[in-house]
Amino acid sequence: GAGVSQSPRYKVAKRGQDVALRCDPISGHVSLFWYQQALGQGPEFLTYFQNEAQLDKSGLPSDRFFAERPEGSVSTLKIQRTQQEDSAVYLCASSLVTSGPRGETQYFGPGTRLLVL
Amino acid sequence: GENVEQHPSTLSVQEGDSAVIKCTYSDSASNYFPWYKQELGKRPQLIIDIRSNVGEKKDQRIAVTLNKTAKHFSLHITETQPEDSAVYFCAARGSYIPTFGRGTSLIVHP
Repeated sequence: GAGVSQSPRYKVAKRGQDVALRCDPISGHVSLFWYQQALGQGPEFLTYFQNEAQLDKSGLPSDRFFAERPEGSVSTLKIQRTQQEDSAVYLCASSLVTSGPRGETQYFGPGTRLLVL
Repeated sequence: GENVEQHPSTLSVQEGDSAVIKCTYSDSASNYFPWYKQELGKRPQLIIDIRSNVGEKKDQRIAVTLNKTAKHFSLHITETQPEDSAVYFCAARGSYIPTFGRGTSLIVHP
């Protein structure tokens, strides 16, 4: 079946511009995570949804970052007034359930590579 | 919070050799330890995982070992092949947020 998809794959923004990154999780997956991956680093947690509820946003670096998943499927990560330090790959991952021996595997999307000039 | 250290950052081996990547974690509540392979420009893909009630798990040429007492876990790849070349990430998860290591770039020379 279809995996996790993200769009756009690449985004170049001028400093100060707002951007919106989209994630389409695997159908039926309850949990959705956003990560930020800097060059040469591992993914770093940004925020987590269980269905439409945002249960944890402790990883969002500033109040310029906002995420939503209004109908419990597609999610959007919005960055307002982008700064150069926001340049990174933004990864989305979904899993059937949050934890437990069945269904906890996270499936990643291809990422959106954001470059802020 | 959880802290995951991963070593080495780069590992170069000859085809057919074994490769070992090691990770340590700090939170004794962590109970799930996945390993991901990420090829250049591609998405991370799960290759193997282990839960804290198991000490070792194997899947063909790949194995993972876990020492809960010492809080470390390792990835073992035997009979390496050039297509194993990629960046490998370990992660440790307690309730729901996985913390990733910084990655190991594995290069397998033909």
